[in-house]
Amino acid sequence: TQLLEQSPQFLSIQEGENLTVYCNSSSVFSSLQWYRQEPGEGPVLLVTVVTGGEVKKLKRLTFQFGDARKDSSLHITAAQPGDTGLYLCAGAFPNAGKSTFGDGTTLTVKP
Amino acid sequence: EPEVTQTPSHQVTQMGQEVILRCVPISNHLYFYWYRQILGQKVEFLVSFYNNEISEKSEIFDDQFSVERPDGSNFTLKIRSTKLEDSAMYFCASGTVDSTQYFGPGTRLTVL
Repeated sequence: TQLLEQSPQFLSIQEGENLTVYCNSSSVFSSLQWYRQEPGEGPVLLVTVVTGGEVKKLKRLTFQFGDARKDSSLHITAAQPGDTGLYLCAGAFPNAGKSTFGDGTTLTVKP
Repeated sequence: EPEVTQTPSHQVTQMGQEVILRCVPISNHLYFYWYRQILGQKVEFLVSFYNNEISEKSEIFDDQFSVERPDGSNFTLKIRSTKLEDSAMYFCASGTVDSTQYFGPGTRLTVL
């Protein structure tokens, strides 16, 4: 069974602080996605990383894929209350098979 | 921007009844998926579908479940005889060859 472990599970910070969320596995993925999910809604894709060592930036969000394609991180700079939500990583396997989801990190940014 | 749509948004059914959940994937995508999420739990893979056949399924996807792409646009999930434990959010996703998957808004299934 391929497992994705996300840490921390819960994170509560003040507006303006920086944070990093981690996604780790013993499996090698062909690609890895980060999603954000609001209660009662579907996961919304933030980014896909494919190449080992790849870094992608989306405004205040920086995503990094590990060199061995087994882990990833999401760094948020100067967090805002609008960043509050559940952040999910999902690892995909070759030939567009299933994605394995992590348990998620629930982020709360207090004004 | 193209998006995955799902109907209905909420389905209430009696235990033992059949339900069909419907999805319209993004039009140029070739890979289709169903996931479920029980309240408060993680997103769980059910099944993937490519080239008009199931490419992979999880142990959750037993004989009570089936999927179909009846025409060029719809992708359906059927549960033949619903159980209480089938109550969950069901998400359809469609994707591209790089395995990026785009999720629909979900159908909340409540089995009474």
